[in-house]
Amino acid sequence: EPEVTQTPSHQVTQMGQEVILRCVPISNHLYFYWYRQILGQKVEFLVSFYNNEISEKSEIFDDQFSVERPDGSNFTLKIRSTKLEDSAMYFCASSERDIYQVYYGYTFGSGTRLTVV
Amino acid sequence: RKEVEQDPGPFNVPEGATVAFNCTYSNSASQSFFWYRQDCRKEPKLLMSVYSSGNEDGRFTAQLNRASQYISLLIRDSKLSDSATYLCVVNSPRDSNYQLIWGAGTKLIIKP
Repeated sequence: EPEVTQTPSHQVTQMGQEVILRCVPISNHLYFYWYRQILGQKVEFLVSFYNNEISEKSEIFDDQFSVERPDGSNFTLKIRSTKLEDSAMYFCASSERDIYQVYYGYTFGSGTRLTVV
Repeated sequence: RKEVEQDPGPFNVPEGATVAFNCTYSNSASQSFFWYRQDCRKEPKLLMSVYSSGNEDGRFTAQLNRASQYISLLIRDSKLSDSATYLCVVNSPRDSNYQLIWGAGTKLIIKP
């Protein structure tokens, strides 16, 4: 079964440092997403990406965050200057077509646990 | 009222029992509904979509009640491996698009 792959599985960084979280979506998928989940809390939408641009973003996704699809396979989330409250599990997800996500849900990667110290 | 609301639990249930969860949603224009399962510190995994007519997949049955704006998940003959957090997810209109809105989850513990 096709998978969404995320690296690294765990990243520890100092406050104020930049981090890049990497995702390889399923190859024929066109829609990409980042979600985060603070420990013990619910999954929160960050951003969706289609056709090399952001299609939706949440209030959480402020100027500290950016996304990129640099080479047609990777999909990255960059946090420019990490804060303690950025510590969370970050999940990448992809779907084949936008209309399908209405009925079929997404495929999630196994996540990157980001710890900001 | 929260957009998607679930009883956080935990539901402590003996192995073999039947357990049911509900999830309510606030936006009557919501279009599709899902149950995801999340094991501790793992990614959410799609358990089943919820169709208007209700649907069943083995021991799992999902129902949608649009009039009362809730969905339900029934697990029959529960197994120890069913222990997890069950997330209700609703695809709701947001501005000019749709977005998945996640509930906080219901924790289920199956005891031997």
